[in-house]
Amino acid sequence: QKEVEQNSGPLSVPEGAIASLNCTYSDRGSQSFFWYRQYSGKSPELIMSIYSNGDKEDGRFTAQLNKASQYVSLLIRDSQPSDSATYLCAVSSSGSARQLTFGSGTQLTVLP
Amino acid sequence: NAGVTQTPKFQVLKTGQSMTLQCAQDMNHNSMYWYRQDPGMGLRLIYYSASEGTTDKGEVPNGYNVSRLNKREFSLRLESAAPSQTSVYFCASKHYEQYFGPGTRLTVT
Repeated sequence: QKEVEQNSGPLSVPEGAIASLNCTYSDRGSQSFFWYRQYSGKSPELIMSIYSNGDKEDGRFTAQLNKASQYVSLLIRDSQPSDSATYLCAVSSSGSARQLTFGSGTQLTVLP
Repeated sequence: NAGVTQTPKFQVLKTGQSMTLQCAQDMNHNSMYWYRQDPGMGLRLIYYSASEGTTDKGEVPNGYNVSRLNKREFSLRLESAAPSQTSVYFCASKHYEQYFGPGTRLTVT
């Protein structure tokens, strides 16, 4: 069974701080890694994708991937109250259909 | 460009009733997916269609059927609804990255 594990939280950070969200996965053949943000009552929204080891930055978001450790993280710099949401880590399988396996999500609250 | 659309937004069924959830995408994606999301369980894949004309079971297919009507449309059918199928259902489509529809909140009483 391919698994994706996330700290369930909740995680609270003050406004302006760095929020760090972590994810580990079990399938060593995984190729693609995604972070989704989900506001309460809404659908998941893709915010970052990463395919190779290292860091990928997009605005205030940085995704980090370490395939050897089977670890992917998301850093949110200068956190804002509008960043308060559940963050879902998703990993693409190595199979032909490349299905996504999702973690159960980390709930982030940014305190004003 | 509407992306992924789903109908209905909300539905209440009695046990044993049937219904079809509709999904359409206008991004010309080959792959489409149906998920359910339950508190504490995350998103679980019900069925997927890697391309027009093909469908495959996901993690939790029991009690559901799907139809890939054409490249744009992928429907999910509950033949005899059960309270355990109370959930939020999301459709998604993918080229390299997966994009979700707004969801259908289903309650089975």
